[in-house]
Formats: sequence, C-alpha cells, structure tokens
Amino acid sequence: QVQLVQSGAEVKNPGASVKLSCKASGYIFTNHYMHWVRQAPGQGLEWMGVINSGGRGNTAYAQRFQGRFTMTRDMSATTVYMELTSLTSEDTAVYYCTRDSPSGWMAVDYWGQGTLVTVSS
Amino acid sequence: QSALTQPASVSGSPGQSIAISCTGTSSDVGGYNYVSWYQQYPGKAPKLIIFHVNQRPSGVSDRFSGSKSGNTASLTISGLQAGDEAEYYCTSHTGGGAYVFGTGTKVTV
Repeated sequence: QVQLVQSGAEVKNPGASVKLSCKASGYIFTNHYMHWVRQAPGQGLEWMGVINSGGRGNTAYAQRFQGRFTMTRDMSATTVYMELTSLTSEDTAVYYCTRDSPSGWMAVDYWGQGTLVTVSS
Repeated sequence: QSALTQPASVSGSPGQSIAISCTGTSSDVGGYNYVSWYQQYPGKAPKLIIFHVNQRPSGVSDRFSGSKSGNTASLTISGLQAGDEAEYYCTSHTGGGAYVFGTGTKVTV
C-alpha cells in the first residue's frame, strides 16, 4: 500500500533552517510528482512547491518562497526533502508531503501524516 | 500569486444542494482546466474530491460535482448530508508548474 512517512516534529529558533523528509513506499517512486503543502494553525492550505521524483528532478516553487525553499529527492532512498531557511514565526505550520496521482496537475491522492514545525524563540 | 477567492462559509439543510465558488483570474482558473477540490475535516489531511475541473476520483460520491465558467470554478454538493460538514479548498494551476489554493470554505449542514 502507498505510504508517505514524514520526519518528526521540529522546534526552531527564528532565523534558523529546517529540513524535512518524506519516505515514500508502495509504488514506483519515479512515476509521480510530489508536492509540499503547509497549513498554519487555524489557517488554510498553502501550496509550496512540486518536484518530479524521476527524470532530472525538476522543481517549481511558489513565488513567495523563492530563494528560501528547496525541494530535492533521493531516488535510491525513495525520499523527498524540503528545506526552508530564514524561518520566522509565520512559518509555524503543519507541513504535508503529498503525491500527485497519475492524472497529475495537483490531483493529489496521498498525503503524509504531516510534520509540525514550530518557530519560536 | 494571490490565493483564489472562496466564500468563507456556506450553509444548507440536509437534502439541499449548495455551491461553492472559487474565483481567480485568466492566469489561473480561467487559463487552465486544472482545478481540483479538497475536503478537509478538522485535524485530518485533505481528501481529493474533484480534479481537472469536473472529474471525480474513484470512490467519491456522485453528489459532488465540479464545473468552471470563465475565471470561476464551482463545487456543487447535492443531497447535502451531515457528513459533508467540513472545510473545502479549491486549487488551480497557475502556469510554470505552480499552483495556488483557495481561501477555503466552511460548509455547515
């Protein structure tokens, strides 16, 4: 069965960086794009970026995160990563790793369990 | 890229039909047939209920339907049930491989 298992909760100081992982299993990793989506407490969903798990690992990011957000993938480990730098309290959120379905174009069929990132001094 | 505009809340009685709008621009909703809708219960991960404007994933009730006209997409829930009470989000492709979510709509039954 398809599983997306994310790394554990993080507490960071303002200005620090955070790197999260998402281990995929139960399907052919390289056949699907992966998105990261976050949700601040009591707020809506926010799309952050997408990576092609196969091929050259092309990425696309939301403009507001350009320059401080990076997605990478390790095909041998079937794992995707996201790194967010220069953290502020506004980055406190649950971060979800998601898998795009074969239909593609943000038709996400599986979500990770979510990782809470808390930014606080 | 600004979030797509959704009404903050929509309510209806059991058995009724409701519609949730998702308004963007010609650079997102109006420019691509890649609008998806997600249902989210409190404390849970979202669930895909509509993709590519009007396609339903396997297992999703046919009470959910999607459409689009110009820069506005819509999700219609017919035969409203208590279990439909949740938050609903639209999302659209914006070009260059990027996407944007809507502001979210709380449905009350």
